Amino acid sequence: AQSVSQHNHHVILSEAASLELGCNYSYGGTVNLFWYVQYPGQHLQLLLKYFSGDPLVKGIKGFEAEFIKSKFSFNLRKPSVQWSDTAEYFCAVNVSPGFQKLVFGTGTRLLVSP
Amino acid sequence: DADVTQTPRNRITKTGKRIMLECSQTKGHDRMYWYRQDPGLGLRLIYYSFDVKDINKGEISDGYSVSRQAQAKFSLSLESAIPNQTALYFCATSDGRGADTEAFFGQGTRLTVV
Repeated sequence: AQSVSQHNHHVILSEAASLELGCNYSYGGTVNLFWYVQYPGQHLQLLLKYFSGDPLVKGIKGFEAEFIKSKFSFNLRKPSVQWSDTAEYFCAVNVSPGFQKLVFGTGTRLLVSP
Repeated sequence: DADVTQTPRNRITKTGKRIMLECSQTKGHDRMYWYRQDPGLGLRLIYYSFDVKDINKGEISDGYSVSRQAQAKFSLSLESAIPNQTALYFCATSDGRGADTEAFFGQGTRLTVV
């Protein structure tokens, strides 16, 4: 069965620092990849997604992610974080084509200090 | 108005009680899911349904049951609640008509079993 690993469980950064959150998945076939964000007390919202094409994906709020097939990775990046980026970030994988159910990583809790 | 609505938003119940969490959606999606979120474990799939006549167990279905009353409604039941079912529960939907889709989440139900 496919699995998703997020190696950073807690990250603390100062405002304006650069961010990179790691995500690796285990599945040898075609995948759809997602990053979701959960702000405190809120539901999950989609940050960005990769289905095909350009492996560098731009999302909302200045986030981007790069799909590296050879490394089974889909790392999330942001050049300069803001206090409002404090949230929990989840990487998720959906096997394509086929079942439309997401497998989530365990999440990374990001705290940005002003 | 939210596209995916969960009720109740918060619930405290006693061990052994039966409780139902409800989810309704206005997105017209055929696929619906129930996840639970626990700190450090991310989101884990409890049950999913690809249409009204299709119900499937997820990775942690023991102790839970579901009912897909209509395309827009998917309820989760705990037949006899136990304390380790204390968690944040999310309902989600997706459009199964294409592989290039994403999941949309409700606001969550925080359940506490005492």
